[in-house]
Amino acid sequence: EAEVAQSPRYKITEKSQAVAFWCDPISGHATLYWYRQILGQGPELLVQFQDESVVDDSQLPKDRFSAERLKGVDSTLKIQPAELGDSAMYLCASSLGPLVGAFFGQGTRLTVV
Amino acid sequence: RKEVEQDPGPFNVPEGATVAFNCTYSNSASQSFFWYRQDCRKEPKLLMSVYSSGNEDGRFTAQLNRASQYISLLIRDSKLSDSATYLCVVNADEKLTFGTGTRLTIIP
Repeated sequence: EAEVAQSPRYKITEKSQAVAFWCDPISGHATLYWYRQILGQGPELLVQFQDESVVDDSQLPKDRFSAERLKGVDSTLKIQPAELGDSAMYLCASSLGPLVGAFFGQGTRLTVV
Repeated sequence: RKEVEQDPGPFNVPEGATVAFNCTYSNSASQSFFWYRQDCRKEPKLLMSVYSSGNEDGRFTAQLNRASQYISLLIRDSKLSDSATYLCVVNADEKLTFGTGTRLTIIP
């Protein structure tokens, strides 16, 4: 069964350092999402791509976060500099289109110390 | 008002019982609806889509009420393995918005 791949699974980083997460969506899925989930809350959308274009990044803290999907396939989410409040699970998801259900990767659990 | 609202629970239900969750949404132009299941410290997994006519998958039934802007999930004959957090998801303006989730524990 096709899966969304994410790496790393776990990341511990010091405050003010840079950190990057990678996501490879299910083959053929044009829509890619990055979500952040804090324990006890639902996932919150950070950025949404349609192919290589950003269609929604209204909730992305652009002073420190950036995301790209250069060839419309895999994607990278970067945080620089990391802050203590960035500790969370970062989830990547993909779907065939924006109107259908999305499938999630296993996530990257980030701890900022 | 939040875009998607759910009762966070927890719901503690005896094995074999029937349990139902509701979820309300604020955007009347929302186009598609889903229920996801999330186990502790795991990723959300798509449980089922919710159609206007309602749909059933085994012990699970999902319904949509557009007039009142809510969706529901019914679980019959609950199993211990149904213990999880159930997330309501609404698609509006081609964006998937998640509720905070309803935590369900099935008690032996």
